[in-house]
Amino acid sequence: LAKTTQPISMDSYEGQEVNITCSHNNIATNDYITWYQQFPSQGPRFIIQGYKTKVTNEVASLFIPADRKSSTLSLPRVSLSDTAVYYCLVGVHGSGNTGKLIFGQGTTLQVKP
Amino acid sequence: GAGVSQTPSNKVTEKGKYVELRCDPISGHTALYWYRQSLGQGPEFLIYFQGTGAADDSGLPNDRFFAVRPEGSVSTLKIQRTERGDSAVYLCASSLSGSLSNEQFFGPGTRLTVL
Repeated sequence: LAKTTQPISMDSYEGQEVNITCSHNNIATNDYITWYQQFPSQGPRFIIQGYKTKVTNEVASLFIPADRKSSTLSLPRVSLSDTAVYYCLVGVHGSGNTGKLIFGQGTTLQVKP
Repeated sequence: GAGVSQTPSNKVTEKGKYVELRCDPISGHTALYWYRQSLGQGPEFLIYFQGTGAADDSGLPNDRFFAVRPEGSVSTLKIQRTERGDSAVYLCASSLSGSLSNEQFFGPGTRLTVL
């Protein structure tokens, strides 16, 4: 799976929009980009997944430029409860792939009041 | 519906002892994964089951670690002759099938402490 690089930590305040960028320079043609969120003492939770351009769901948006060498997770109007570790993962879809996730260190987001 | 459950939530054992960690996946999920997470690090893949068989055990650190899923549902991770370095949170996840297009649902983990 492609190696990813993301900031170790970020701070924000309630109500602000937070953008976390992930670099994946060696992304392959078949690779998708997936983000997981992990709260303390819990297992990771799927947030969003995309291949190109923009994907939006009820939780976040994912922006992927044309060269796909990076991606940005956007969290609108964060609250204290969004304080968590956010992981960017890159991997291959399709049959024959085991689906195992390769996590980096993630980005620890601290939301302040 | 119920999510992934893991028991026990905490396990303290002594160096050299044998431990078993249990995972109950979401009903109907054929894929089951075990990960290990050390403090301050992301989860590290251990083993993947598709049904009853271990399709990928490349993440198991050594032969002290073994996992089974005899009926394609519940899985048990077994660690023999535990060492202090085995202390970590052991996470289990399940998904509909073994593909990155399928979201993985994680349990709360078992915190293992080896004294």
